[in-house]
Amino acid sequence: QSALTQPPSASGSPGQSVTISCTGTSSDVGGYNYVSWYQQHPGKAPKVMIYGVSKRPSGVPDRFSGSKSGNTASLTVSGLQAEDEGDYYCSSYAGSNNVVFGGGTKLTVL
Amino acid sequence: EVQLVASGGGLVQPGGSLRLSCAASGFTVSGEYMTWVRQAPGKGLEWVSVIYSNGNTYFTDSVKGRFTISRDNSKNMVYLQMNSLRADDTAVYYCARNDYDFWNPGSWGQGLLVTVSS
Repeated sequence: QSALTQPPSASGSPGQSVTISCTGTSSDVGGYNYVSWYQQHPGKAPKVMIYGVSKRPSGVPDRFSGSKSGNTASLTVSGLQAEDEGDYYCSSYAGSNNVVFGGGTKLTVL
Repeated sequence: EVQLVASGGGLVQPGGSLRLSCAASGFTVSGEYMTWVRQAPGKGLEWVSVIYSNGNTYFTDSVKGRFTISRDNSKNMVYLQMNSLRADDTAVYYCARNDYDFWNPGSWGQGLLVTVSS
């Protein structure tokens, strides 16, 4: 499976909103509602921010939201805060008992 | 509280073997889907393997035939046995529990560095 496509970088000022895209195919993102988003800070394990396309685990601020249209999933971070800076990865079930990740997006809070 | 503590990483020569262990607490591994994910230095995340609650196992193409995943229900542990290691297997390896859906990792362990080098 090919990795899902994410922009290498994204940025925004505190208080602004930023959206990160995750583009796959009808065999992964477009075919299943099993898309997750992860936040990773340097030297740390990833933390799930969104699962099932748009669901938030307990404890994740409602500033984080997810959506999907066709073969593209999106993560929106509203009201950007300094602690939101980090790397963000999407993942999707890809059929045949496989999971594929995106290449990652470095989010910078200006 | 769900906790995953991995052990067993280190330096190994090309062609060598290493077994990674993942000790789980706060839940029973036998009832869960457990995943290994790796991250090469400076690179993105790569799904490696999963073991289902029914014991079925699956692998990414690049490790098929070289890696095996297993669990010990009595110890509540999951293992990743890595054989015929290559330089491109060098990465931080994470074990994870698929908490929120069957497929994608939810709770993650702390990560183990595996370096394959002569």
